[in-house]
Formats: sequence, C-alpha cells, structure tokens
Amino acid sequence: AQSVSQHNHHVILSEAASLELGCNYSYGGTVNLFWYVQYPGQHLQLLLKYFSGDPLVKGIKGFEAEFIKSKFSFNLRKPSVQWSDTAEYFCAVNLKGEGGKLIFGQGTELSVKP
Amino acid sequence: GAGVSQSPSNKVTEKGKDVELRCDPISGHTALYWYRQSLGQGLEFLIYFQGNSAPDKSGLPSDRFSAERTGGSVSTLTIQRTQQEDSAVYLCASTRTSGGRVTDTQYFGPGTRLTVL
Repeated sequence: AQSVSQHNHHVILSEAASLELGCNYSYGGTVNLFWYVQYPGQHLQLLLKYFSGDPLVKGIKGFEAEFIKSKFSFNLRKPSVQWSDTAEYFCAVNLKGEGGKLIFGQGTELSVKP
Repeated sequence: GAGVSQSPSNKVTEKGKDVELRCDPISGHTALYWYRQSLGQGLEFLIYFQGNSAPDKSGLPSDRFSAERTGGSVSTLTIQRTQQEDSAVYLCASTRTSGGRVTDTQYFGPGTRLTVL
C-alpha cells in the first residue's frame, strides 16, 4: 500500500541547533513531494514542494529539503532553528498525473527551547 | 484573493445527529479536497472533487459520509448518524488544475473541529 513514513514523532531542540526530519515514501510511480507546517492554533501551510528539477528545494523561513529518488526520501532540514519554529511538520506525497490527493506522514512535533 | 474558508469552525453534536460542514475554496480553484485530522489516525484523505464531480471517494470511511459540490465552488460534507469516532478536525483544501490535471499545491482551510458527545 502507498504510505509515507516520518521517522520522528517528537523532536526537542534548543535554539540554534540544526534540524533534520526524515521522510520516506513507498510509491511505484512518479511523485510530487511536500512539507507542510502547522503552527499552534493555525492551519496547515506549505513550507516547500518538489515537482521536478533540482532535487534540493528551498522553502520559506530558511527550510530546505532534498529529494533522493534512490532512497525514496525527502528529508527536511534547517541549519539553525528558532523558538518560532515550534510546530508540527507533515511530509506528504501525491502521484503525478492523478487527482492530486495527498498522502500524509504521521507528523513530527518539533519543540524548540529558547 | 481570500483563502479557503470553512464553517462552522467548531461543531458539537450528539451521537446519532446529522451534521453538515461547509467549504468555500479559493476562487478559480477547480479541484477541492476533504481531509480528516484525528489523534491516532493523522491526516487522512476523504474525497476529491474536480468541478462538481467526485472521481475519487476512496477515503470516505463509511456510507454515513457523503459530500457534494455545486457550481464548481462550495462543497458540503455531510455526516449522518454521527458516532463518537467521527470526532476530528475536518479540513478542506483547493488547488488549480489545467486540462483536468493538478498543477499546483493544495491550500488548506482552517478546518472544522467536530466533537460528537
């Protein structure tokens, strides 16, 4: 079955620490990849996306992600986190050429200590 | 223009009652999606509309759930005979398409928090 796996359920970091959140998917076809963020009390917002081209994509607020096709991975990174990055992060995938429904990972809750 | 809007923002109902949840997508977005976010299940796809038709209903959990879309715009998700396990946040998203193919990211609304007592 098609699935998306996020390796970390809850990550706690201090400000200025580096962040890497893992995401792996199991799909046979060509995919689009996304990271969404949900800040406390707010709705889901897009952080970044990969449709094609350069596998290293940059998003808002200093986040970036690298698509490694051979590893079916799309890990999210940020060199130095801030307290304001405290949120839940969701990796999502959809199949190119289909209706576009997103399959989400279970989410990773990030807590950044000031 | 404005983002995706949903109403009500909160709904408390008694077990066995029917509820209707509304979604207003971004103007011009032909594709509309419903998802459910609940503890333990994460974010689950429910149904997808392209215009007024629903080519993918595979995520609807039971025949108590139905949805419609009219005028290629507003969509309503109806849950009949609600059960406690229906308690969740119901999210709506919309996006642009070209030639019937999704060409952009999905933009999410704030959700409706449904509580079934």
